[in-house]
Amino acid sequence: NAGVTQTPKFQVLKTGQSMTLQCAQDMNHEYMSWYRQDPGMGLRLIHYSVGAGITDQGEVPNGYNVSRSTTEDFPLRLLSAAPSQTSVYFCASSLILTGDSPLHFGNGTRLTVT
Amino acid sequence: GENVEQHPSTLSVQEGDSAVIKCTYSDSASNYFPWYKQELGKRPQLIIDIRSNVGEKKDQRIAVTLNKTAKHFSLHITETQPEDSAVYFCAATPTTSGTYKYIFGTGTRLKVLA
Repeated sequence: NAGVTQTPKFQVLKTGQSMTLQCAQDMNHEYMSWYRQDPGMGLRLIHYSVGAGITDQGEVPNGYNVSRSTTEDFPLRLLSAAPSQTSVYFCASSLILTGDSPLHFGNGTRLTVT
Repeated sequence: GENVEQHPSTLSVQEGDSAVIKCTYSDSASNYFPWYKQELGKRPQLIIDIRSNVGEKKDQRIAVTLNKTAKHFSLHITETQPEDSAVYFCAATPTTSGTYKYIFGTGTRLKVLA
């Protein structure tokens, strides 16, 4: 049981490049989400999904796209990277949709945009 | 809007003293309030949580209290130890059209001085 797996662990991009951060969970969790963590800003919700085929915007969705074609996977796409997207990104999942189950976090992806 | 405010942003205590971190939330429909501990370079890890039908919960040296009327909840750590030094995040689960999401506070950096 691997839990929540994120790849890559580190990534450096040039401004304007695109990339996809991968997230997979093997716990059959319906709820999945992406956060970015910046110093002094805490964990800010980018996008979340309550099941396959369903996604919604969080607090800071601009510049990011997501899709949820399967229960297990929830990739985060940066279409045209900007220096403001330099951050640590965490994927997290939760078992049930009633909002009273803990989030399980992946190990994070440290992204630098130059 | 949906937000979670957390105070203080930094907290220094002497080893053996108690530490208290406070959070307030805006959405009265929130029903779940977890606390996470994040050590440097690591992912956030759940340390304790409380549901809206409970006023207080304790787990050894850690306790959480919830005041739904005032929409605030607090983390209490007693007999602090150097290994308690970390960043602590509170979270709440506001709902939009019956769908829950997890919104975090901006974090508290706790330093336990030996």
